Amino acid sequence: DIQMTQSPSSLSASVGDRVTITCRASQGISTWLAWYQQKPEEAPKSLIHSASTLQSGVPSRFSGSGSGTDFTLTISSLQPEDFATYYCQQYNSYPLTFGGGTKVEIK
Amino acid sequence: QITLKESGPTLVKPTQTLTLTCAFSGFSLSTPGVGVAWIRQSPGKALEWLALIYWNDDQRYSPSLKSRLTVTMDTPKNQVVLTMTNVDPVDTATYYCAHRYVYDGNCFDQWGQGALVTVSS
Repeated sequence: DIQMTQSPSSLSASVGDRVTITCRASQGISTWLAWYQQKPEEAPKSLIHSASTLQSGVPSRFSGSGSGTDFTLTISSLQPEDFATYYCQQYNSYPLTFGGGTKVEIK
Repeated sequence: QITLKESGPTLVKPTQTLTLTCAFSGFSLSTPGVGVAWIRQSPGKALEWLALIYWNDDQRYSPSLKSRLTVTMDTPKNQVVLTMTNVDPVDTATYYCAHRYVYDGNCFDQWGQGALVTVSS
């Protein structure tokens, strides 16, 4: 199985801050990586696929980068509605696996 | 517009069989490339992929749960059913079904609201 490791597991930030979340795969996955946002008591929402392609309707302050084993999700200017938990997911091979999540909290 | 909604029991006793239904609209499981996955989330924990069924009835399962899971589809009813046998309290979780993003492999662009299932005697 491919293990997905996210860091940090949580962070505190202020509105307007630039936030970067890292996801590392235990083996190369090319760009077969997705990012999801989950708010409390809600289902995950798709943000990014193919490591860097924004899903339709996702604000441009979100961006993704990376390939192989190292990936990042960046929020260029954190907004109040961005406080949530973020998950990466690899879909290079079965079993599909998710990272442990990064909780973005208000400072 | 794609929507999915999970339904099933909220409480199941240990050793029983859990059956969850995903009713969807906005797409058809007869269309090539389409798939529906089941993903769960234990309270306070991360997401865990369980199974995926494709338009051609190809099924994929998490190896750790494969012996206990069955996923089937009812194309005319626009439903996918997940069956989990011999449940245990550790199976307590919110169960989501999700639509496979047909343009880019096995990631998921739309999710159901989730169904919380508690396993307890």
